[in-house]
Amino acid sequence: NAGVTQTPKFQVLKTGQSMTLQCAQDMNHNSMYWYRQDPGMGLRLIYYSASEGTTDKGEVPNGYNVSRLNKREFSLRLESAAPSQTSVYFCASISGGSYGYTFGSGTRLTVV
Amino acid sequence: AQTVTQSQPEMSVQEAETVTLSCTYDTSESDYYLFWYKQPPSRQMILVIRQEAYKQQNATENRFSVNFQKAAKSFSLKISDSQLGDAAMYFCALMNYGGSQGNLIFGKGTKLSVKP
Repeated sequence: NAGVTQTPKFQVLKTGQSMTLQCAQDMNHNSMYWYRQDPGMGLRLIYYSASEGTTDKGEVPNGYNVSRLNKREFSLRLESAAPSQTSVYFCASISGGSYGYTFGSGTRLTVV
Repeated sequence: AQTVTQSQPEMSVQEAETVTLSCTYDTSESDYYLFWYKQPPSRQMILVIRQEAYKQQNATENRFSVNFQKAAKSFSLKISDSQLGDAAMYFCALMNYGGSQGNLIFGKGTKLSVKP
C-alpha cells in the first residue's frame, strides 16, 4: 500500500544508547518531516527536509540528527538517548500543501 | 510567530448529537491552509477536513464541516450525528502557503468522547 512506513513501531532504550528511526515513503513526495508528540503538547517539529539533499531544524531539534538518504527515505537519529526523549515520533511527507501531510503510523519510544 | 490554540482539552457528546470543537490561530500570512486531523487510539493521524484560506466557502466532508472566520482567525470543526467511532483526539493545524517548506503547526488537541 502506498504511504509512509516507519520502523520500528515500539522501542525501549537505556539512557545513553543510540538508535535510528527509519522512514520511507513511496508517493514521490519532495518534503519529509519528523515530529514528536507528547501528552498535552500536540505535535512539534523536530527536523524537516524540503527536498533530497537538504535538511533544516524545526522547533525542537536538540538531541537529534537526520539524514535524507534519497527522495524516499528520511531517518532520525538519537545519538545519546535521554529520558526527555521519551515520546511518540511521527514521520510525514507532503506533495502539495493543500492536501496536508501523509503520516506514518508512529514510533513509541521509551528511554529508561 | 504562528500559533494554533485549541481551548478545549476535552469534550463530550452524546451519540447522534452534534458537537463543535474550537480552534483559533495566528499568522501574519494572507495565504495558508487549515486542517483538522483525527487521532484514534490506534495512534494513526487521519486527515478529516481542510480549508484554503482564500476560499470563503466553508469546507464540508460528509458529517464534518468547518466554520472558517478569517477575520477572527477562527476555524471550528462541527461533527454532526456523532458516532462512537468519532471518539478520538482532534488536532487543528495551520500551514502557510509556500513558506516554511510546508511546515504544519499543530494545536495541543481536543479529546472527544462519545457517549452511547
